[in-house]
Amino acid sequence: QVQLVESGGGVVQPGGSLRLSCAASGFPFSNFGMHWVRQTPGKGLEWVAFIRFDGTGPFYADSVKGRFTISRDNGKNTLDLEMNSLRPEDTAVYYCAKDRIEMATIGNFQHWGQGSQVTVSS
Amino acid sequence: EVVLTQSPATLSLSPGETATLSCRASQRITSNLAWYQHRPGQAPRLLIYRASTRATDIPARFSGSGSGTEFTLTISDLQSEDFAVYYCQQYNNWPPLTFGGGTKVEIK
Repeated sequence: QVQLVESGGGVVQPGGSLRLSCAASGFPFSNFGMHWVRQTPGKGLEWVAFIRFDGTGPFYADSVKGRFTISRDNGKNTLDLEMNSLRPEDTAVYYCAKDRIEMATIGNFQHWGQGSQVTVSS
Repeated sequence: EVVLTQSPATLSLSPGETATLSCRASQRITSNLAWYQHRPGQAPRLLIYRASTRATDIPARFSGSGSGTEFTLTISDLQSEDFAVYYCQQYNNWPPLTFGGGTKVEIK
């Protein structure tokens, strides 16, 4: 059974930093591309970043480019999102999500974690 | 960037009725469109990919259609657990991957 468990969320001041982690289990993690997707308060879903199964890419939404860094450790089955220069508009629930097909770059979110709340406020 | 426009924003229906949700793309995306269900407090769930292929364990009352720029999600015989927000998402031309604004299916 696929499990994705996010951690590391919390409250941070504008300009601050936070690191999210996602622990994966129940599937061959090193074979799948992984994404971060967020849901802002009262709004819909927004794709944030993607990293290929082998760690190459990565790709970012323009809204986070230069501030966020996605990375993965295939030996530990973990996905990370380093978030710097945080802004109030980054306040959201952040989900890690697994792509649909192994050894490929598709852009579907087949499995999702339960999410981690990040609040940027002074 | 491909912009997806969903309509209506809210759909008020009774259990047993049929919901028809629309998603329009700002440019042609062939059939590279997915639909997700999002219930409050839960993780989103992939329902449909490639415009019309049901994901694993998704009931047959969920069906998708369309290609190019016009897409439809149909939910037949609405069950209580189907009242949620539904999002379309394109993966034809990325980055960025983009979502529609969502349609809320609520109990009438």
